[in-house]
Amino acid sequence: DAGVTQSPTHLIKTRGQQVTLRCSPKSGHDTVSWYQQALGQGPQFIFQYYEEEERQRGNFPDRFSGHQFPNYSSELNVNALLLGDSALYLCASSATDGLAGVPGELFFGEGSRLTVL
Amino acid sequence: SQQGEEDPQALSIQEGENATMNCSYKTSINNLQWYRQNSGRGLVHLILIRSNEREKHSGRLRVTLDTSKKSSSLLITASRAADTASYFCATDGGSGGYQKVTFGTGTKLQVIP
Repeated sequence: DAGVTQSPTHLIKTRGQQVTLRCSPKSGHDTVSWYQQALGQGPQFIFQYYEEEERQRGNFPDRFSGHQFPNYSSELNVNALLLGDSALYLCASSATDGLAGVPGELFFGEGSRLTVL
Repeated sequence: SQQGEEDPQALSIQEGENATMNCSYKTSINNLQWYRQNSGRGLVHLILIRSNEREKHSGRLRVTLDTSKKSSSLLITASRAADTASYFCATDGGSGGYQKVTFGTGTKLQVIP
C-alpha cells in the first residue's frame, strides 16, 4: 500500500516563474492538504481539497492555487514566484467519514523542496 | 500564522533520560496531535488526543491535554538516539465537520548516545 507520494522531490526556479507540484494521496484517502515549511519553521497550512473543491484556505495569496482530480490526486500551483516562496512543500492526505468529516491522522509525503533564485 | 508554540525550542538530553516538550495554543480545538520530523523529511504522526481526553499513552509516549490552559505536553520516556528529530504539536480547529490542522513552531530534540 503506497503512502503519500509527491513529485518532484527537488526543483529550482527563478523569480517570476510558475511551478506545479503534484501529490498522490494514500490509498483510501479522499482529502488532501498542502503545507509550506520554511527552514527552521513549522508547516503552514496553505489549503485543503475535498471532492475536487477547495474547502479550507490558510493565509496565502491568490498566487497559490490548487486542484484535485477525480482520483483524489492534487496539484499545487504557485505563480509569479518570489524568493520567499523557497520552502519545503508538504502534501498530507486524510480520510473523512462521509459528510461528518471525522478529524484524524494526517499522512505526509516526503515533500517537494523548492528553491527560488 | 502558527496556532501553537512549543517549548523549549531545542532540547538536548542523554540517551535513557526522559524528554518533555510543551505546547500552548490559542483557540478551541477538536483534537491535538503530535508529529515527528526527521531533518528535511515528511512528518510522521505520533499520537492524537481528543479535546475531551486528558491523557493518552502510546508505547514510550505520554501526552497530556489541559483545555482550560490551552496546553499539552509530550513525554518521551527512556529516550534513544533514534528519537533525535523535531517534534510538532498540531491542533485541529476545523468547524462544520471539516478538518483544519495547524502546526506549532516545533521542538528540536537531540538525544546524545
